[in-house]
Amino acid sequence: AQKVTQAQTEISVVEKEDVTLDCVYETRDTTYYLFWYKQPPSGELVFLIRRNSFDEQNEISGRYSWNFQKSTSSFNFTITASQVVDSAVYFCALPLFYGGSQGNLIFGKGTKLSVKP
Amino acid sequence: DSGVTQTPKHLITATGQRVTLRCSPRSGDLSVYWYQQSLDQGLQFLIQYYNGEERAKGNILERFSAQQFPDLHSELNLSSLELGDSALYFCASSPLGDEQFFGPGTRLTVL
Repeated sequence: AQKVTQAQTEISVVEKEDVTLDCVYETRDTTYYLFWYKQPPSGELVFLIRRNSFDEQNEISGRYSWNFQKSTSSFNFTITASQVVDSAVYFCALPLFYGGSQGNLIFGKGTKLSVKP
Repeated sequence: DSGVTQTPKHLITATGQRVTLRCSPRSGDLSVYWYQQSLDQGLQFLIQYYNGEERAKGNILERFSAQQFPDLHSELNLSSLELGDSALYFCASSPLGDEQFFGPGTRLTVL
């Protein structure tokens, strides 16, 4: 079955600290994507990244980086030098595939990150 | 701004009532998804439409229904509302097989 586990319910850090959000997934698909979304206090869901299972290279975008390891079924997200504006709930997600194409997302429970000044 | 619009932003109603939530997808996206976010269940998929046809169903109650119109906008109808239906309802759109972009959500409060 498809499943996403975000074991960290809440994390609190002080500004400028680095923080890593964990995501472990289960899938029976041999080819799959993984996503991260951010939900700030305003409530909208903001797309951050999509990774293909073929590509295990780490991805870096500014202060954000993602570490994808198929051997451990993990897709972890690191924020370097965190800022107060990073405070949000972060979701990892795995899409189902049907009819040969990507369908709905299976979300983890989310990790609430609080960055204090 | 994701390009997906949802109305209304907030909705307060009473138990037993019926409401309609509306979603307009990004220009060109044929696929629309509905999700429910509640404190106890998290983010759960309800239903997907592709170019007017129902494509997949998730944990959608029989009291809920949806449709996608020829202009590709979608409506989610919730009837015989219960207190437990209070949640944030998201619509997302995508070209088929690509990442989903979410609307701002409709916050439903059932009193």
